[in-house]
Amino acid sequence: AQSVTQLDSQVPVFEEAPVELRCNYSSSVSVYLFWYVQYPNQGLQLLLKYLSGSTLVESINGFEAEFNKSQTSFHLRKPSVHISDTAEYFCAVASGGGADGLTFGKGTHLIIQP
Amino acid sequence: GAGVSQSPRYKVAKRGQDVALRCDPISGHVSLFWYQQALGQGPEFLTYFQNEAQLDKSGLPSDRFFAERPEGSVSTLKIQRTQQEDSAVYLCASSLSGIKNIQYFGAGTRLSVL
Repeated sequence: AQSVTQLDSQVPVFEEAPVELRCNYSSSVSVYLFWYVQYPNQGLQLLLKYLSGSTLVESINGFEAEFNKSQTSFHLRKPSVHISDTAEYFCAVASGGGADGLTFGKGTHLIIQP
Repeated sequence: GAGVSQSPRYKVAKRGQDVALRCDPISGHVSLFWYQQALGQGPEFLTYFQNEAQLDKSGLPSDRFFAERPEGSVSTLKIQRTQQEDSAVYLCASSLSGIKNIQYFGAGTRLSVL
């Protein structure tokens, strides 16, 4: 069985400040890791994913996440946030050797303050 | 269509009623997933289809939940004798095939059981 922990349910940050959203996972097999974003009144959209190779992955809008196998973490970071980044962020894991369904964390609400 | 389409967007049911939720995946997508998202929680996996075959239904919470995809395209999630605890947003996602491909999510159906 696998699980995902997002310890912070809400993260308030001032505009242009850096942010880190934490994600830890547990799995007994190799994993694939994802961050999804849900803007208000919209569906889930993939932000970035780690499948293999470089442990640092980046999105087109300035977010990055680093896969850390020893710490079983996949934290999401952005050096300078914008008001438009206000959204719910979900970390998810899939087993490399099992079913294709995703296991999601409970989500972190990123609140950008002007 | 351009994306995953779900209908209805909102459904209100009286306790004990049966409901049917529809998902129209992206054309050509082999894999189709259903998730349940309770208020303030992350999505939870319900079931997975590859074409018309239901390969995993381990997440269905009870035998009142039934999903089908008879022609390998449109899928229907049916809930019989709805209960208040069934109130949630039901999300459908589709992908080309396999976990390495991005899952594209629909906007969801918000079910409220009174």
